[in-house]
Amino acid sequence: QVQLVESGGTVVQPGRSLRLSCAASGFTFSRYGMHWVRQAPDKGLEWVAVISFDGNNKNYRDSVKGRFTISRDNSRTTLYLQMNSLRAEDTAVYYCAREGNYDSTGIPVDWGQGTLVTVSS
Amino acid sequence: DIQMTQSPSSLSASVGDRVTITCQASEDISNYLSWYQQKPGKAPKLLIYDASKLDSGVPSRFSGSGSGTDFTFNIGSLQPEDIATYFCQQYDNLPYTFGQGTKLEIK
Repeated sequence: QVQLVESGGTVVQPGRSLRLSCAASGFTFSRYGMHWVRQAPDKGLEWVAVISFDGNNKNYRDSVKGRFTISRDNSRTTLYLQMNSLRAEDTAVYYCAREGNYDSTGIPVDWGQGTLVTVSS
Repeated sequence: DIQMTQSPSSLSASVGDRVTITCQASEDISNYLSWYQQKPGKAPKLLIYDASKLDSGVPSRFSGSGSGTDFTFNIGSLQPEDIATYFCQQYDNLPYTFGQGTKLEIK
């Protein structure tokens, strides 16, 4: 079955960088778009970024553009989120999620368990 | 960005009740709307996509309807395991956006 396992979350100081990873298994990773979605403590869900199946198309929410980079390594079946110039408001659980196999795009279907990023001095 | 407004923000109902949650988009999103269930400490789970299509394995007591700007999510007969927070999400335009959530509790 589909398995997504995030890692890399930790406590980091404002202005520093962090890279999250999401190891995928149980499906043909190279055929699916992938998302990062975050959730601040006791808050709602916030979409962060999406990457196409081949890595050629990427989109971000405005608040992370220029600071975060989504990427993937299809040979390693791993999704990444490079986060630079971190701010307190980036504190959240970060989920990776797989696109659905539907006609519509933009639907995160299968989700990992999340990894917590805390930005604090 | 498209704003998604869910109501109510919290809801208390009894086992067996019919539960209704609404989601309003700030502009026309056709039927590009999904509904998620999130239990405490867990990842969200997709229940409905394209406003009314049930994802694989989702019980038939869950349903969705609507198009354009106004959408409805229903639980036909509330079960104890349905206690969770529910979110709508639009995927018509980037950035994809979620509603603020509806926390469902048992009365």
